[in-house]
Amino acid sequence: KAGVTQTPRYLIKTRGQQVTLSCSPISGHRSVSWYQQTPGQGLQFLFEYFSETQRNKGNFPGRFSGRQFSNSRSEMNVSTLELGDSALYLCASSIAQGTTEAFFGQGTRLTVV
Amino acid sequence: GESVGLHLPTLSVQEGDNSIINCAYSNSASDYFIWYKQESGKGPQFIIDIRSNMDKRQGQRVTVLLNKTVKHLSLQIAATQPGDSAVYFCAENGNTGKLIFGQGTTLQVKP
Repeated sequence: KAGVTQTPRYLIKTRGQQVTLSCSPISGHRSVSWYQQTPGQGLQFLFEYFSETQRNKGNFPGRFSGRQFSNSRSEMNVSTLELGDSALYLCASSIAQGTTEAFFGQGTRLTVV
Repeated sequence: GESVGLHLPTLSVQEGDNSIINCAYSNSASDYFIWYKQESGKGPQFIIDIRSNMDKRQGQRVTVLLNKTVKHLSLQIAATQPGDSAVYFCAENGNTGKLIFGQGTTLQVKP
């Protein structure tokens, strides 16, 4: 069974650009959550999708958005990139929403210059 | 407020010794906790979880202890190996549907 797949692994963007990251969850998992990891702030929750609907949202500005498709794959988008958006973006998949085991992908390393 | 913290940023142990990594949480409504291991360049790897109706849960070489009275969580690793060197995170998933992570403890295993 394949694990959580995130693409691309690395990205370099310039300030003001926008970026789209992709996450394919474990087969059969319907919940996808996104996290931002930085050395200073640690792992911070962005949002969770279940059955194509955003179920939960963290404290991030509206520049951060996401969506989930009918096959449970998810994308997150960051518009008008800022230097502070440089981070490792992690996707986690779970069978269901809420208190269940969450399995992470390798992450996408985004660098904004 | 919601916060999960670890007591020590770095823990150094001798190979073969037992390791204990501690975590304090503040949300008394939390009913589910997870320990993750993150190696350099990789995403967090699920180690073990525990629900609030349990005090202890054992896995392969790992044990998680939960003390709800003092809101404390610990991860014990038996016979620590060089491959255990990583950053360890505790996380709580209370009634909010999202994981709240601690800052992480770096475990260094000396040969």
